[in-house]
Amino acid sequence: SQQGEEDPQALSIQEGENATMNCSYKTSINNLQWYRQNSGRGLVHLILIRSNEREKHSGRLRVTLDTSKKSSSLLITASRAADTASYFCATGLNTGFQKLVFGTGTRLLVSP
Amino acid sequence: DTEVTQTPKHLVMGMTNKKSLKCEQHMGHRAMYWYKQKAKKPPELMFVYSYEKLSINESVPSRFSPECPNSSLLNLHLHALQPEDSALYLCASSHRDTYNEQFFGPGTRLTVL
Repeated sequence: SQQGEEDPQALSIQEGENATMNCSYKTSINNLQWYRQNSGRGLVHLILIRSNEREKHSGRLRVTLDTSKKSSSLLITASRAADTASYFCATGLNTGFQKLVFGTGTRLLVSP
Repeated sequence: DTEVTQTPKHLVMGMTNKKSLKCEQHMGHRAMYWYKQKAKKPPELMFVYSYEKLSINESVPSRFSPECPNSSLLNLHLHALQPEDSALYLCASSHRDTYNEQFFGPGTRLTVL
C-alpha cells in the first residue's frame, strides 16, 4: 500500500527559481529519503533525514521533516534545466530492516 | 565501484517464454531489492534479499521467481508472464546493518506481448 502522498503532482518553473515539493506519510518511520528519476531510468538518492532530525541540507537541497504532522518538504534552490525529473519521497519503515515505500512523486519541469 | 548494473536494458517476451533479469553490485551491500515500476507511478517493492536469503516477498505472483546466487548477484526469473507485467524492473542494493540509502540500477524495460 502507498505510504506517501506528494504534492504538487507536477510543477513547472523557470531556471533560477526555487522548487518546493511536499510529502505526507501515514505510519511511524525510521527515516525519510528523497530520490530523483530521469525519464523512466534508475533512481538517484538525493538526501536522507532521520526521524530525530528536523532539517538537512545538501548543496542546493534543503529537506525538512515534521514527524508530528507526518510530513516532509524538499526545496531545490536556484533550479537548473538539468533538475528536470521526477522526485519521489520514500519512507524507511520500522520493520527491523530497510524497507522503503515510495510516495506518488512530483514531476518537475525547469524551463531555460 | 558504486554502481548497480542491470541486464538486459530492454526485453521483449511472449507469454510462453522464460527469461531472466540480472543485477550485479560490488559495493559489499548485503541487502538487494527488486522493484516494479509502471509508467508515471512510483516503484513498488517486490522482493528483498538480506544476506542472500529472501526476507520479503510482497505477495508477488509465482510467475516471478527471484534468486540470489551470491552476495553480488540478484536474478529475477520470468515465466508465463502477462501483458500487464510490462513495466520497468529496478534492482537496488543497500547496506544491511543500518537504515541507509538504496543504490539503484538503470532498470530493465520489459514488454510482454
